[in-house]
Amino acid sequence: EAQVTQNPRYLITVTGKKLTVTCSQNMNHEYMSWYRQDPGLGLRQIYYSMNVEVTDKGDVPEGYKVSRKEKRNFPLILESPSPNQTSLYFCASSLSWGATGELFFGEGSRLTVL
Amino acid sequence: GNSVTQMEGPVTLSEEAFLTINCTYTATGYPSLFWYVQYPGEGLQLLLKATKADDKGSNKGFEATYRKETTSFHLEKGSVQVSDSAVYFCALVPTGGSYIPTFGRGTSLIVHP
Repeated sequence: EAQVTQNPRYLITVTGKKLTVTCSQNMNHEYMSWYRQDPGLGLRQIYYSMNVEVTDKGDVPEGYKVSRKEKRNFPLILESPSPNQTSLYFCASSLSWGATGELFFGEGSRLTVL
Repeated sequence: GNSVTQMEGPVTLSEEAFLTINCTYTATGYPSLFWYVQYPGEGLQLLLKATKADDKGSNKGFEATYRKETTSFHLEKGSVQVSDSAVYFCALVPTGGSYIPTFGRGTSLIVHP
């Protein structure tokens, strides 16, 4: 089954404790991206990757890091989480980088930073 | 910068009612336009899209037409079902540059039997 898998789905952590949210897709997609969803703000892109070893900032990259060492994986790293990073996070992938492609989303990871 | 404006929700309808969710956008050039749907506890999934002016996207009884003159992409369905209850997001992707999507804030739809 074609899917984007995120882990963990739910996480409660404390300020400053490094964490990683993993994302994996099995569709051989080139393009992957991370979003955060906050009430009243919709989805905002954090980082994206056009292919292995190629990443770039989205609209809200501060406080986040990413890496793309393999085509299927695109982890999101919070080096020192803060309460304003409490949010619902989505990973998405697309067959190619461009304006017309459909995004395939994971089920989301709800993060709470105390 | 680019922006997408959706009508505020929640939209509450009875089953078989007609649905319209308004979406207008601001962008340079001619972006591609999308509607995504998010069911409770799930990620977003593509509902329909249109990539050029006057295109009509359709899927599962939903339709939206890319109106360049009014910069709009309103979502419509003739007869909603309880199973259509979800949050609907309008989005644009510019046709040049970084291709970073811009999403609207989402409109919650609640359909009662």
